[in-house]
Amino acid sequence: NAGVTQTPKFRILKIGQSMTLQCTQDMNHNYMYWYRQDPGMGLKLIYYSVGAGITDKGEVPNGYNVSRSTTEDFPLRLELAAPSQTSVYFCASSDPPGHHTEAFFGQGTRLTVV
Amino acid sequence: AQKITQTQPGMFVQEKEAVTLDCTYDTSDQSYGLFWYKQPSSGEMIFLIYQGSYDEQNATEGRYSLNFQKARKSANLVISASQLGDSAMYFCAMREIGNEKLTFGTGTRLTIIP
Repeated sequence: NAGVTQTPKFRILKIGQSMTLQCTQDMNHNYMYWYRQDPGMGLKLIYYSVGAGITDKGEVPNGYNVSRSTTEDFPLRLELAAPSQTSVYFCASSDPPGHHTEAFFGQGTRLTVV
Repeated sequence: AQKITQTQPGMFVQEKEAVTLDCTYDTSDQSYGLFWYKQPSSGEMIFLIYQGSYDEQNATEGRYSLNFQKARKSANLVISASQLGDSAMYFCAMREIGNEKLTFGTGTRLTIIP
């Protein structure tokens, strides 16, 4: 039972570098999400997707891009890393928002931009 | 717009006592779901309990129960007989039925004292 798998778990980037955070789920969920969690804070929605080929912006999309070519995968791309993007990133997936559809989370990726 | 408010940044509770974590929400929808997640120091997000807006009874899951007061728009989490392992961050979240976005509060850090 893999659930939601995120890679890498940790990463240090230099300012201006690019990287892709990988997220894969094996529960056949159509809905997938990317959140960031700054130290001592709650989760803020970056991007979400309601199915393959469909993505939309959340609260804090600037500096990020996503794609959803398959149901399973929802990678998050940082093009020009900035110190403000130092955070823990969580990927999540769920069934369509109906009754009792909790989101399942990956283990998180701790990103530091120096 | 959805909004979740958790007014207790931190709480200290004696082991074996009950604890109530506050959560209020704001929505104009009649149909929505409320979730509580636990985040231990290891960082993962663990789903605890769900309450639907049309559920007539308060949700319970083992030592967790949800004190749902719809008219006051509050969904407080009650943990009975607290244990040292309950020390963690606790997040309240809401999703309007049919809305893709799951919105989180800022969290409460609970510390159980032996």
